[in-house]
Amino acid sequence: AQSVTQLDSQVPVFEEAPVELRCNYSSSVSVYLFWYVQYPNQGLQLLLKYLSGSTLVKGINGFEAEFNKSQTSFHLRKPSVHISDTAEYFCAVKGFQKLVFGTGTRLLVSP
Amino acid sequence: DAGITQSPRYKITETGRQVTLMCHQTWSHSYMFWYRQDLGHGLRLIYYSAAADITDKGEVPDGYVVSRSKTENFPLTLESATRSQTSVYFCASSDRGLTNTEAFFGQGTRLTVV
Repeated sequence: AQSVTQLDSQVPVFEEAPVELRCNYSSSVSVYLFWYVQYPNQGLQLLLKYLSGSTLVKGINGFEAEFNKSQTSFHLRKPSVHISDTAEYFCAVKGFQKLVFGTGTRLLVSP
Repeated sequence: DAGITQSPRYKITETGRQVTLMCHQTWSHSYMFWYRQDLGHGLRLIYYSAAADITDKGEVPDGYVVSRSKTENFPLTLESATRSQTSVYFCASSDRGLTNTEAFFGQGTRLTVV
């Protein structure tokens, strides 16, 4: 079975600072990994995905993530955040059929 | 309109009543999912379906029933609603292929059980 752990429930950061949101997964099979963003009162929107190939994945809005198989991690990074990046971020893993999410990390960007 | 739509967007119901949340997708995706979102729990999988007439339980299936007679529809029924089922419910769909494995989400249904 797959599972996802997002260690930080909330990450406060100042505008233009770098940020890293952590995600660790476990799975007994090969997986696909995803990061989704949820703005208030909206559904989830895909930020980026790792299926295979290069371990550094670039997504929308300047975000990127690195797949590390040995550490079973898929951390999300952005070198300089904006106020508009304030949202909830979810890491997800898809194994054979099921798509399983972590508990989410709320990114709070302050001026 | 193309995409995935959920209805209703908001629903208030009484304890013990049956309520059905609708989900419709226009892409003919094989997979469909129902999640509930609660503070501190993220999104938890209720049921999923790999194709028409094939459904399976997720993490929190108790109190819920699903069906999938047509590929494009995946309704979720609360047989006898309880206050603990107050939540935001999201439906999602994804294709079967290697390059299209991400899920696309509806806008959610906010359900309140009083």
